[in-house]
Amino acid sequence: ETGVTQSPTHLIKTRGQQVTLRCSSQSGHNTVSWYQQALGQGPQFIFQYYREEENGRGNFPPRFSGLQFPNYSSELNVNALELDDSALYLCASSIDTGWEFFGPGTRLTVL
Amino acid sequence: RKEVEQDPGPFNVPEGATVAFNCTYSNSASQSFFWYRQDCRKEPKLLMSVYSSGNEDGRFTAQLNRASQYISLLIRDSKLSDSATYLCVVHRRAAGNKLTFGGGTRVLVKP
Repeated sequence: ETGVTQSPTHLIKTRGQQVTLRCSSQSGHNTVSWYQQALGQGPQFIFQYYREEENGRGNFPPRFSGLQFPNYSSELNVNALELDDSALYLCASSIDTGWEFFGPGTRLTVL
Repeated sequence: RKEVEQDPGPFNVPEGATVAFNCTYSNSASQSFFWYRQDCRKEPKLLMSVYSSGNEDGRFTAQLNRASQYISLLIRDSKLSDSATYLCVVHRRAAGNKLTFGGGTRVLVKP
């Protein structure tokens, strides 16, 4: 196990709702990246947080937002959920933006 | 064109056989290369880094061809437990320090 934990494991929401996903990074890791993995596809980079600051963002709309806390845990917030947001959301942590270790993911279903 | 492309497979492999597959990347400025393994409904796990000189880890051999911009993975003496999706990953610090994943190659090892 990598020591990266995510909550919740599964989540069902309806279109238009908002969701918050949480990630606790591995001990000693100060960088957290978030990825979206749709069924049958590879993970797509959403954004990365390094020492509480956003450190890069992928091609996702502003309704995807994030936060990193002083203990380096992180949240991913998605507003105005759409059906296409249904996916596995993966959090990965690293030290100083180095090698990334993935958590088990949160499976989000939007109905 | 996707930045990282893989044959989705599936590659049906008899137990004990050798299987090899490639991944191509479009950005010549890509700096680091990895193979990740992903089991069904699980998170990706780092299998091995890929170095220009080629590298081997037990039954797994990875090669990088920068001139032709492709990466390969070879699995010898395939085991049933090798059945998984293999994700090709490239990294460029200039690209917001993200990992860029291919769509994955599915390998099914059969008795």
